[in-house]
Amino acid sequence: GAVVSQHPSRVICKSGTSVKIECRSLDFQATTMFWYRQFPKQSLMLMATSNEGSKATYEQGVEKDKFLINHASLTLSTLTVTSAHPEDSSFYICSASRAGHYNEQFFGPGTRLTVL
Amino acid sequence: AQSVTQPDIHITVSEGASLELRCNYSYGATPYLFWYVQSPGQGLQLLLKYFSGDTLVQGIKGFEAEFKRSQSSFNLRKPSVHWSDAAEYFCAVGDANAGGTSYGKLTFGQGTILTVHP
Repeated sequence: GAVVSQHPSRVICKSGTSVKIECRSLDFQATTMFWYRQFPKQSLMLMATSNEGSKATYEQGVEKDKFLINHASLTLSTLTVTSAHPEDSSFYICSASRAGHYNEQFFGPGTRLTVL
Repeated sequence: AQSVTQPDIHITVSEGASLELRCNYSYGATPYLFWYVQSPGQGLQLLLKYFSGDTLVQGIKGFEAEFKRSQSSFNLRKPSVHWSDAAEYFCAVGDANAGGTSYGKLTFGQGTILTVHP
């Protein structure tokens, strides 16, 4: 149980285009979802926290207009990288937690974004 | 602000040898502590977690970790390493009294890459 999927697993796009990454909880209702970014050989950096039906809370230094997060249902959150640039190339990982178990996060397999 | 330090960036051990990965945290309240493992290009898998109670916790794949409040440490151990344990390991701390915008947030250490020699 507690499986989280991400789609796509890899995406290559041209500079200036937008890319949407989906994060789904397959067998539980995710009241809270988190989006992380991981640069090569570095740790995970939290970008934002989203609660279902509410606006996402962004970490300091993360541009909310560039990284649009939508958490419209209890099983789906999306991250849209708008007007992507090569410096946005990274590994994006989502995680989800259940109501009443907010300190236990289940991680997706990640999405490798490459911006040409 | 909470922080996590993993002093060892890269550790190499021989298969069958024992392993200890260090983790020190800085946190002003009661922490929740986690160890995750990540294989290349993959997401994170939870190895074990400490919320309260017995300070020695058992996890999957034969791993264990001990919470030592006096040393602010949560070191990961395994008595005999297998080649399949080669991966990157992350220690993380969560807020035991999370509320509002810090609800469930985790802070990760820098990670330790484990290489296993045959």
